[in-house]
Order: sequence, then structure tokens, then C-alpha cells
Amino acid sequence: DAKTTQPTSMDCAEGRAANLPCNHSTISGNEYVYWYRQIHSQGPQYIIHGLKNNETNEMASLIITEDRKSSTLILPHATLRDTAVYYCIVWLLGANNLFFGTGTRLTVIP
Amino acid sequence: GAVVSQHPSWVICKSGTSVKIECRSLDFQATTMFWYRQFPKQSLMLMATSNEGSKATYEQGVEKDKFLINHASLTLSTLTVTSAHPEDSSFYICSARDSQVQETQYFGPGTRLLVL
Repeated sequence: DAKTTQPTSMDCAEGRAANLPCNHSTISGNEYVYWYRQIHSQGPQYIIHGLKNNETNEMASLIITEDRKSSTLILPHATLRDTAVYYCIVWLLGANNLFFGTGTRLTVIP
Repeated sequence: GAVVSQHPSWVICKSGTSVKIECRSLDFQATTMFWYRQFPKQSLMLMATSNEGSKATYEQGVEKDKFLINHASLTLSTLTVTSAHPEDSSFYICSARDSQVQETQYFGPGTRLLVL
């Protein structure tokens, strides 16, 4: 699986957009980009995933660069409940397991 | 999204005893489930892949005789920590992939194990 690089931590003001970057320069053509988050003492929560095109759902937007070497997760209006560790994972469709890196600890500040 | 449950949420046991943790996919069938372990301030580490009707596949360094996995149905996998010791105290999390929609894994809420 391709490796991802994320900042260790980020702060965001409540109500503002949170933009979480992820580098995956060695991603292969058929690997997806997945985002999960883990709120303290809970299991990871699926957020969004994409292959090439930008994606949006009720939780977030995913912007993938044209060369697919990096992506950004956007939480459009961060709330205090969005404080969590956010994991960016690249995953080959059909491969068995997801490998978690260290993620980005996002703190939403009132 | 799909729902995965775990039982129990918390368990405290004496050293030397065995503990069973259940993982259920509530609204989908899962031919493959995964067991992770997470120590404080660390990321999730995959322990094993549980396959319905066959033996589990364990990651390097995980003792298969200590962490027994059974995946007897398409909605249930169990992890039994045998002869638990204090160093087995951790947060155990399962995940499941929908057999029909292969693209996403959904995670359970986790089980916190404390071995005294």
C-alpha cells in the first residue's frame, strides 16, 4: 500500500472550513484515497473516499489533485464535535486491509 | 453508513482468564472482518483478517493461539483473548466490509479491555 503523509496536528476555528491535507506521492492508478476519523475512545468513522474525481457527501468534500499525488479533506463548517484524529489512507480495491498511519489531530476551537 | 456493533464495550478481567469479544454487522453481510488493536496515543494496528467459514489470517507478530478468531456466520466474528495478561490491555476494534459493496470498511465502536 502506498504511504501517506499528514500533518501531526491542526487547529480550526468553529464555523470555519477545515482543510486537511494528505500527500500520497507513490499512489498507483487503481488505489483509492479514503478518509476516516476517530473521535476519542471510539471506533473510526468512515468519511469519504475517491479515486480521481472530487467527491462530496453530507459530511465533507474530497479534493484530489490531477496527478493524484495529494488530496485535501474539507469540512465546510467545522463544529466542536469534529475534533478528532483524521486518517488519510490509500487502498487498493479488493485488497484485504486498511493500514492506518498516525493521522492529523484536528482541534476545533470555540 | 452501515452499522457494526461490538460487545462488550468494556471488560475488566483477572490475569489468566479468557475474554471473548463479539463483532456483528447489523445491516449487511460481511464475508471478511478485521480485528485491530490500539494502545494509548497510538494508531490502529491490524491484528488479523477474519474470513467467514475459513481460518483467520494473522499479521506478523500476532499469536494465533492467544487471539482466537471465529467467523462462523456472515454477520458475526468473535475474538477470544486467551490467558489474558496486563499487557493485553488495549482497545480492540473490529471492522467489516459489505460483501455486496466491496469499497468501504465500517468499524465497530471498540471494546476496551483491562486485565488486572
